[in-house]
Amino acid sequence: KNQVEQSPQSLIILEGKNCTLQCNYTVSPFSNLRWYKQDTGRGPVSLTIMTFSENTKSNGRYTATLDADTKQSSLHITASQLSDSASYICVVSLSGYALNFGKGTSLLVTP
Amino acid sequence: EAQVTQNPRYLITVTGKKLTVTCSQNMNHEYMSWYRQDPGLGLRQIYYSMNVEVTDKGDVPEGYKVSRKEKRNFPLILESPSPNQTSLYFCASSRLAGGTDTQYFGPGTRLTVL
Repeated sequence: KNQVEQSPQSLIILEGKNCTLQCNYTVSPFSNLRWYKQDTGRGPVSLTIMTFSENTKSNGRYTATLDADTKQSSLHITASQLSDSASYICVVSLSGYALNFGKGTSLLVTP
Repeated sequence: EAQVTQNPRYLITVTGKKLTVTCSQNMNHEYMSWYRQDPGLGLRQIYYSMNVEVTDKGDVPEGYKVSRKEKRNFPLILESPSPNQTSLYFCASSRLAGGTDTQYFGPGTRLTVL
């Protein structure tokens, strides 16, 4: 069974601080890895998409990294804002349409 | 505005009463998919469609049906809903099924089956 494990489950940080979320996967063969942001009660919104040949991808203050050899990815958030409070979901794709979702990391940014 | 719409957004129903949740996208996307999201379990794929008249099961298809008669619409049908189908449902679409196309999600439908 393909697995996508995210850590930590939840995280609380102060506004302005940086943080890093982790994603480990055992999906094989690997096609691409996506990070989504999901605000409470809303649909997920795509942050980054990386293929196996890409090591890093940025979207504003969000930077995703990928190590296909160790099957690990991270999402780094720089200078956090209150609006970053959300769930962050790692999704690993086998072939593009078969998506394996992690359970997400719940981030709370406090003033 | 490019978007995925779902209706209804909230629904409370009783066991066994057939219902349909509609999903529509205005981006001419080929790929559409339905997910359910439950606390502690994350998003799980119910069904997906590669194009008109082409559908396939996801991870949790039991108790659900779908159809794709038009490119823009992908309704989710619960023939005989049960309480374990109480969940938050999301429809999503992308231009193509493969590759790195961005998947766009709808706003969600919160379903309660009593």
